[in-house]
Amino acid sequence: DQQVKQNSPSLSVQEGRISILNCDYTNSMFDYFLWYKKYPAEGPTFLISISSIKDKNEDGRFTVFLNKSAKHLSLHIVPSQPGDSAVYFCAASALRQNFVFGPGTRLSVLP
Amino acid sequence: ETGVTQSPTHLIKTRGQQVTLRCSSQSGHNTVSWYQQALGQGPQFIFQYYREEENGRGNFPPRFSGLQFPNYSSELNVNALELDDSALYLCASSLAVGLTQVTQYFGPGTRLTVL
Repeated sequence: DQQVKQNSPSLSVQEGRISILNCDYTNSMFDYFLWYKKYPAEGPTFLISISSIKDKNEDGRFTVFLNKSAKHLSLHIVPSQPGDSAVYFCAASALRQNFVFGPGTRLSVLP
Repeated sequence: ETGVTQSPTHLIKTRGQQVTLRCSSQSGHNTVSWYQQALGQGPQFIFQYYREEENGRGNFPPRFSGLQFPNYSSELNVNALELDDSALYLCASSLAVGLTQVTQYFGPGTRLTVL
């Protein structure tokens, strides 16, 4: 049973537009969420995180939104750039212990 | 400050053999976690070591074992390899204060192929 779901395996967006990546979770004990980006032949790179006491966190072009009642979070990238093309993983944890990852969404930003 | 490094980068083994993968944590980090990433899937948590002791384990059999050394480097050992063990193995280090981890930083991974 997948506790963290990313229902879109892939997403294509035009350069300069907004990319929205979605993530759903089932475990109500999760209280800390992260997004990672992964290029081929590299390990995942941390992007941004959010604690369950917040509903939004921004870092430059990246914003994460958390809707606890819906058990849903999303990552917004504005504006999207070709270098953002990668696989994006959503991860969740309870008390910042063992992290559970989703299956990933492949983002392609078209020039 | 050096990042997380892993060795080897690629490895080919046959069924039934044993393998040891190595990880050097990022400077200042005291916790290391190991993940298995099968093709097309997200990383699956294997186990975590904190101050040289196992501190959490995912749904993996006992033939997956590990060590963390005083310098916080780590090994992942897999015995009696099976074909399904073919995957990318990722090591992630973090700084834990008590039970709370700060963000994990990943190494590039070791690609294991079992024939």
